[in-house]
Amino acid sequence: GENVEQHPSTLSVQEGDSAVIKCTYSDSASNYFPWYKQELGKRPQLIIDIRSNVGEKKDQRIAVTLNKTAKHFSLHITETQPEDSAVYFCAASGDTGGFKTIFGAGTRLFVKA
Amino acid sequence: ETGVTQSPTHLIKTRGQQVTLRCSSQSGHNTVSWYQQALGQGPQFIFQYYREEENGRGNFPPRFSGLQFPNYSSELNVNALELDDSALYLCASSPANPSRQGSTQYFGPGTRLLVL
Repeated sequence: GENVEQHPSTLSVQEGDSAVIKCTYSDSASNYFPWYKQELGKRPQLIIDIRSNVGEKKDQRIAVTLNKTAKHFSLHITETQPEDSAVYFCAASGDTGGFKTIFGAGTRLFVKA
Repeated sequence: ETGVTQSPTHLIKTRGQQVTLRCSSQSGHNTVSWYQQALGQGPQFIFQYYREEENGRGNFPPRFSGLQFPNYSSELNVNALELDDSALYLCASSPANPSRQGSTQYFGPGTRLLVL
């Protein structure tokens, strides 16, 4: 079945360093790739998304890249800050006779001050 | 915060019982998706409703069912509760997208269900 693999499961960086989280999806019909940040006890919040007709998108310190051929997409956070500490989820959505969104298992990011 | 609301916030049930969870979508949104998030895991897609009809379904058994009402609010019903159904249940609403490409989903705060 459809699957989204996310790596690493845990990432620890020093404040000011960059963080990269990578995801791979299996369903070639996927055409929308959002990234969510979830703090403890709170709802997932969208931080950036990318559609299949775009290869890269940037919003201040956050950027996402998509390689449709390899079915890879990545989240890049630059100049990390302690408030970036949270769990990050990637997801892939598409519609092949029925809509589905598949989430990755999450990456717990720790930013050390 | 999003305009998506869910009720109740917490719920305790026993095995074999039935439960109904409710979601009010953000104004202007006519699509609602439901997810199950077990502790320490990513959200698992249960199903999506678009204009009162099921528009897609994940790998959940038929005892998970749903409804969407004319005002686009939605219910998730789970029959014959099992211990493994204990989780955070999230709903997310999104505006219709005529191109059928995915559109941004805005999550509610969730309902935490404990099955004993």
